[in-house]
Order: sequence, then structure tokens, then C-alpha cells
Amino acid sequence: EAGVTQFPSHSVIEKGQTVTLRCDPISGHDNLYWYRRVMGKEIKFLLHFVKESKQDESGMPNNRFLAERTGGTYSTLKVQPAELEDSGVYFCASSLTGNSPLHFGNGTRLTVT
Amino acid sequence: AQSVAQPEDQVNVAEGNPLTVKCTYSVSGNPYLFWYVQYPNRGLQFLLKYITGDNLVKGSYGFEAEFNKSQTSFHLKKPSALVSDSALYFCAAPRGGYNKLIFGAGTRLAVHP
Repeated sequence: EAGVTQFPSHSVIEKGQTVTLRCDPISGHDNLYWYRRVMGKEIKFLLHFVKESKQDESGMPNNRFLAERTGGTYSTLKVQPAELEDSGVYFCASSLTGNSPLHFGNGTRLTVT
Repeated sequence: AQSVAQPEDQVNVAEGNPLTVKCTYSVSGNPYLFWYVQYPNRGLQFLLKYITGDNLVKGSYGFEAEFNKSQTSFHLKKPSALVSDSALYFCAAPRGGYNKLIFGAGTRLAVHP
């Protein structure tokens, strides 16, 4: 089976611009998660979808971040406008159920200059 | 507050020697604990987990981890390191949901020939 795929793998944008990250979970996985690792620090939870519904978005840093999962398949994470502190690696993960192991994508490395 | 800590930024080991990557935790109740590995330019991969039962947990690629309640530790071990084990290792625990994980800062393992 195909794993979790993320696009793009790298993105370099200027402060104030908009970037949209995409995640395609493993087919059939209802649970989709976004995490990020900023500046080599701890990996932190951003939010959790169950199908198309946001189950938990307590980790979203502020209203510049918008996550969607229309139709319960792929998800997008938009940062608008991007700030320097948003630089880091954004990971997407999916799981079959809420209690089954996470499968991570390779991440998107975002650099805001 | 629940947390996991990895006290070492980097661990250096000679190939063939045993390795230990340390993790300590502070969680309420019965802890669930995980180890993930990140190879260069790849996503995180699940290695093993402790839920309950035997304190010695065996996982992928010959790794094992020992849960020690009195020392609140969950150290990752392998009897004989391989150069291919060189990667970034993360200890994690759920907070508010099985897959809503808090991660340690990561430990870079370097295995030298």
C-alpha cells in the first residue's frame, strides 16, 4: 500500500506570503494528524481530523493556520500570512483508528525568509 | 504537566557495541510510551510501544526498550549497533488522546564503523 505522502517536500517563501501544504493519507485511514517540528525543537501536535471533521485543533498556533480535509480524503494546511517563526518541518500522519499506530509522511520543510 | 525528556542530544556508538538512548517521562496514570525513529529525509517510523505487561518491550530492527516505573524511564536499547541504525530517535507519550503525542526533543544516534 502507498504510504502517507506530503507535497511539497520543500518550500521556501518570503514573510507575508501564503503557502499550502498537502497531505494524502493512507487509503482508508479516517484519522489524519498534523504535527510540526520548529527550529529543531520538539515535534508538536497541531490537529486531528476524523474523516472531514476536526476532532482536536488545540495545537494550532494561531489563526494564520487553516487546515481542511474536504471529503475526508486528503488534507491541506494553509499558512497565511507566513511569519519567520513558522519555519520548520510539517509532518502529516494517518491511522486506521484513533488507537492504531501512526504512519507518518516524509514531511514538508518550510523555510520562511 | 505530562512530558517526556531525552537528556542526550547525541549518542555516539561504535558498530557492534550495545547502544542505549535514554528517555524519562512524567505522565499521570498508567503511561503509554512510544519510540519512533526518523531516518534522513524520511518521516517518523514506529519502533515499539509500552502499554502494559512485560517491562521489556521488543520492537522493529532488533530494538527493545525497558520500562522502569521506579525510575520513570523508558530507555531504548539494542545489543549490537549497526551503522544503518544512525538516525534521529524520538520518545513519545499520548496526552489527551492515543495518537495526540508529546515528543521528546530527539536524540541523534551516530554509529561509527
